[in-house]
Amino acid sequence: GAGVSQSPSNKVTEKGKDVELRCDPISGHTALYWYRQSLGQGLEFLIYFQGNSAPDKSGLPSDRFSAERTGGSVSTLTIQRTQQEDSAVYLCASSLAATVLSGANVLTFGAGSRLTVL
Amino acid sequence: GDSVTQMEGPVTLSEEAFLTINCTYTATGYPSLFWYVQYPGEGLQLLLKATKADDKGSNKGFEATYRKETTSFHLEKGSVQVSDSAVYFCALSGDQGGKLIFGQGTELSVKP
Repeated sequence: GAGVSQSPSNKVTEKGKDVELRCDPISGHTALYWYRQSLGQGLEFLIYFQGNSAPDKSGLPSDRFSAERTGGSVSTLTIQRTQQEDSAVYLCASSLAATVLSGANVLTFGAGSRLTVL
Repeated sequence: GDSVTQMEGPVTLSEEAFLTINCTYTATGYPSLFWYVQYPGEGLQLLLKATKADDKGSNKGFEATYRKETTSFHLEKGSVQVSDSAVYFCALSGDQGGKLIFGQGTELSVKP
């Protein structure tokens, strides 16, 4: 697509429920990133995909968080047994693989999925 | 590990004032440096970038120069407008697989 598409744009859930957040990157972008933006906080890196593999998942806060990418395109971030501290905006970004390797990485971000855990 | 530190906000300026938002970084190797902007209700978008020392990135009247000797990438604009009100994020891309490491963000509010 023309831009990075994320869904849902807003999600309200109850504590303890599982949620899935979806990201559809720009067509042809092989690198995909998930970030979390909490109220008053900066952007916290969660995980990075190159193709379908995740060379760096160091930012996932706990084993309740997981992500997968299939077909080198769409990615899903899953949060199990949600907690109130998971409330945040989850941002997805994509980039061309070439710029990743060159070190001059330019990420294009989606509008985000706002998660509220009651 | 690599990190980015930005001046804390919020920064409030009058229209046509001069803007500086300080950004310093810590990194191994030779990172690329970026400024991203998040306008109210919108997603993050790239404002400008610089990939090596002494490079100057510029866009929409904003400028930032990659200073290796001071490990800085301060954002400047000579005359801000109300439409520049947004949150500005400094970021680096180092040797860590292409991911960006962001500063905390600086909120700018420009009053007419």
